[in-house]
Amino acid sequence: EDQVTQSPEALRLQEGESSSLNCSYTVSGLRGLFWYRQDPGKGPEFLFTLYSAGEEKEKERLKATLTKKESFLHITAPKPEDSATYLCAVQPYTGTASKLTFGTGTRLQVTL
Amino acid sequence: DSGVTQTPKHLITATGQRVTLRCSPRSGDLSVYWYQQSLDQGLQFLIHYYNGEERAKGNILERFSAQQFPDLHSELNLSSLELGDSALYFCASSGNNEQFFGPGTRLTVL
Repeated sequence: EDQVTQSPEALRLQEGESSSLNCSYTVSGLRGLFWYRQDPGKGPEFLFTLYSAGEEKEKERLKATLTKKESFLHITAPKPEDSATYLCAVQPYTGTASKLTFGTGTRLQVTL
Repeated sequence: DSGVTQTPKHLITATGQRVTLRCSPRSGDLSVYWYQQSLDQGLQFLIHYYNGEERAKGNILERFSAQQFPDLHSELNLSSLELGDSALYFCASSGNNEQFFGPGTRLTVL
């Protein structure tokens, strides 16, 4: 069974204090790993898809990286508007390819 | 704005009742997915439809059913509701691989 574990559960940063969120996964053949941002009571907002180990993608202050066992979401010089829950999900390459298995997320709070 | 719309935003009902949640995918997307998000379980995949046909089922209860219509909108029907069905229900659509989520329907069962 596919599994996704995210750490830490919660993270509090000061504005400008860079850090990384971790997503460890086990999947029977990875088709894709997805990062989403979710604000309270809202739908997840797509950020990145990573397909193979060594791949990196960047968007503004966020950079996602992928290895064979985990993915990191690096946040550089965060601002208060980056406060949200960040979700990681995996999509298996075999079987029900359409299904995403999500982790429980990292709640990020960025303070002034 | 993802381009995926869901109605209603909020739904309050009583145990034993039946409700229908509606989703319109992004223009051009043929796939619609339904997810349930509760506080203790995170986002759980329920079911996937592609161009009107069911493609995959996840942890969907027998009391729940879904369909996708010729205009590609989808409905999720929840019946014999229980207190534990209270949750956020999201629909997502995709064209290639990335799934784009709607704003969700918050269901409260009293």
